[in-house]
Amino acid sequence: AQTVTQSQPEMSVQEAETVTLSCTYDTSENNYYLFWYKQPPSRQMILVIRQEAYKQQNATENRFSVNFQKAAKSFSLKISDSQLGDTAMYFCAFMERSRGTYKYIFGTGTRLKVLA
Amino acid sequence: EAQVTQNPRYLITVTGKKLTVTCSQNMNHEYMSWYRQDPGLGLRQIYYSMNVEVTDKGDVPEGYKVSRKEKRNFPLILESPSPNQTSLYFCASIPQRGKTSTDTQYFGPGTRLTVL
Repeated sequence: AQTVTQSQPEMSVQEAETVTLSCTYDTSENNYYLFWYKQPPSRQMILVIRQEAYKQQNATENRFSVNFQKAAKSFSLKISDSQLGDTAMYFCAFMERSRGTYKYIFGTGTRLKVLA
Repeated sequence: EAQVTQNPRYLITVTGKKLTVTCSQNMNHEYMSWYRQDPGLGLRQIYYSMNVEVTDKGDVPEGYKVSRKEKRNFPLILESPSPNQTSLYFCASIPQRGKTSTDTQYFGPGTRLTVL
């Protein structure tokens, strides 16, 4: 069965610094998708970044980028120039299509605090 | 505005009193899903629906029911709530495949349920 592991329950970073959140997953599939979601105190789930497994190029979205290592089954999120608004819970998620449906698996989350 | 809505946002109830949490999306998405979020456990899927009248169990379906009579609505029903169903609940939807689909889930704002 697919699993997603986030080994850092909590992290902190100084404003304007860079932080990396780790995520590893386990699957026997070759085609799948990986996501990072942000959950601020408002509890809304916000998509941060998305990576297709068949793409070798790492996805980037402004200050957010990923380091996708398919062989190692690793999908870390790097936040550059951290801002106070980045304070949130971050969830890594794995998705595959199977028999016409979607299977999403979420990690347990990393709580990030950006310090002024 | 394209969105997923949930009601109520907050609910406190007592053991055994039937309740329904509504979910509606205005994006004509075929796939809809319910999750519960608990500390240290991330998001776990309760039920999902691939289309009208097509529903299936997720990872934690016990104690829950769903229905999909219309494409836009996907209510979550707790016939006899118990304290272990106290949680944060999210409804989500995914666009149809092949129609600018990115397989990305769009989440509702969440429903905080407390069962006493």
